[in-house]
Amino acid sequence: DTAVSQTPKYLVTQMGNDKSIKCEQNLGHDTMYWYKQDSKKFLKIMFSYNNKELIINETVPNRFSPKSPDKAHLNLHINSLELGDSAVYFCASSQGISRDSNANYGYTFGSGTRLTVV
Amino acid sequence: AQSVSQHNHHVILSEAASLELGCNYSYGGTVNLFWYVQYPGQHLQLLLKYFSGDPLVKGIKGFEAEFIKSKFSFNLRKPSVQWSDTAEYFCAVTEGTGFQKLVFGTGTRLLVSP
Repeated sequence: DTAVSQTPKYLVTQMGNDKSIKCEQNLGHDTMYWYKQDSKKFLKIMFSYNNKELIINETVPNRFSPKSPDKAHLNLHINSLELGDSAVYFCASSQGISRDSNANYGYTFGSGTRLTVV
Repeated sequence: AQSVSQHNHHVILSEAASLELGCNYSYGGTVNLFWYVQYPGQHLQLLLKYFSGDPLVKGIKGFEAEFIKSKFSFNLRKPSVQWSDTAEYFCAVTEGTGFQKLVFGTGTRLLVSP
C-alpha cells in the first residue's frame, strides 16, 4: 500500500487554466504538507495542515489554495496557472507536532506531481 | 530565518570511493537534522535523522552522518559508494522542540561512475 499518494503524477496544462492536485495518506498522520521543487531541485514548503487546520502558509501567491477535508487528505488547487508554476509538487505527512511526543517524528513524502504549464 | 547550505552542488566519484557531503545550518538553538535522498525520477526518501543523543547517526544503505554542534554541521558519509548511489542528496533541518517546517538545503547531485 502506498503511504502517501498523489494524483496525478504528471499534469500538462495551458496558462490560465485551473487545476487541482490531490494527496492522500494512509499512515494515520496528523500533519500534511505541500512542498514545491523547482527546476534547480530546490525544495520549499508551501503549506502545512494539522488536523485540518492550516498552520503554515508560506509566501505563496493566493492563486494557490490548499484544502483539507479530513486529516488524511490535503489537496492543492491552483487558479490561473502561470509558466512559473511549472515544478514538481510533493505532498508529505508526519505524525505529531511535537518533537517531544512519543510519535515517530519523521516525514513521508509522496512521489510527486510534475506540473508543466505551456 | 533558518537556512541550510550544502557546499557541493555536484560530486562525481568512482565506485568504491569514499563520500562526504557537507551540510551546515544557521540556527543556534535546538535542531533536528535529516538527510534525504532522491533517486532519478523518484520521491524523497529518508536516509537518516538526528534528534538527540549519539552525534554519530547510522542510516540506511551504509550511510552515516555526524552532528558537530560547534560547527553547526551534519555531514553525510559513506565509506564506499556504489553506482546505485547516484542520486540527489538533501540535507534538511527543523528547529526547536515543537512543530516546525522542514527547511532544505539546495541539494548535492552525486554521480557514481562504474
